[in-house]
Amino acid sequence: SAVISQKPSRDICQRGTSLTIQCQVDSQVTMMFWYRQQPGQSLTLIATANQGSEATYESGFVIDKFPISRPNLTFSTLTVSNMSPEDSSIYLCSVTGRVGGYTFGSGTRLTVV
Amino acid sequence: SQQGEEDPQALSIQEGENATMNCSYKTSINNLQWYRQNSGRGLVHLILIRSNEREKHSGRLRVTLDTSKKSSSLLITASRAADTASYFCATAFTGANSKLTFGKGITLSVRP
Repeated sequence: SAVISQKPSRDICQRGTSLTIQCQVDSQVTMMFWYRQQPGQSLTLIATANQGSEATYESGFVIDKFPISRPNLTFSTLTVSNMSPEDSSIYLCSVTGRVGGYTFGSGTRLTVV
Repeated sequence: SQQGEEDPQALSIQEGENATMNCSYKTSINNLQWYRQNSGRGLVHLILIRSNEREKHSGRLRVTLDTSKKSSSLLITASRAADTASYFCATAFTGANSKLTFGKGITLSVRP
C-alpha cells in the first residue's frame, strides 16, 4: 500500500489566519481525498483532488474556504482559510490502496483560538 | 448525511473476550470497509468485503455482510488491550476510486 506523509501533525492557529496542510504520497495516484473529522465525530469528505483539474467539493464545502492544489500525482495541499474556532478538527488526506481499501495520512489536528 | 450507523457506540470488554460491532447502511453499496483509528490519528484499513461476499476473515477479524438487511458486523476474537481504538465502517458505491461514506464510529475499550 501507498505511504502518505502528512504535515503538520498539529497546529494551533489564530482565528482569521490560514493553514496549509500537505500530503506527499510515495507513489503516483490518480485521486486524493481530503476529509474533516470534527471533535468526537466521524469523517466527512471535503473534496476529491485530481491532478490537472479542479477539485470536486462535497455539499457544504467551498473552494474559497478550502482551496486545494494538486500539482502532480504524488502531492496535494489543503488550505483552511480565514479560520474560526469551528474549523478546529482533524484533517486527513487519503488515497485508494491496492486491495480496494484506502490509505490515510496520519492527520493534522488543528485548533483555532 | 452519513451512510453507516454503527452500534453500539461504545463497547468495553475484558482482554481475551470477543468484541462484536455492527454497522447498518441505507443504500446499495459496492463494498463495505472497516477502519481503526487510534487516539484521533490516521485511519488504518482493516478489511473490505464486497457486496457479493457474505463473510471474510483476516487474522483475528471476521466480517459479515448481509445486503438484504443492509448490515455488517465486525468480530474481533481474543481481544487485546492494543485493540483499544475507534472503529468505523465505511461504504463505497461505485468503482475502485469511489468516495467513502463513514459511519459515526464505535469506541472499543479492552481492559487488561
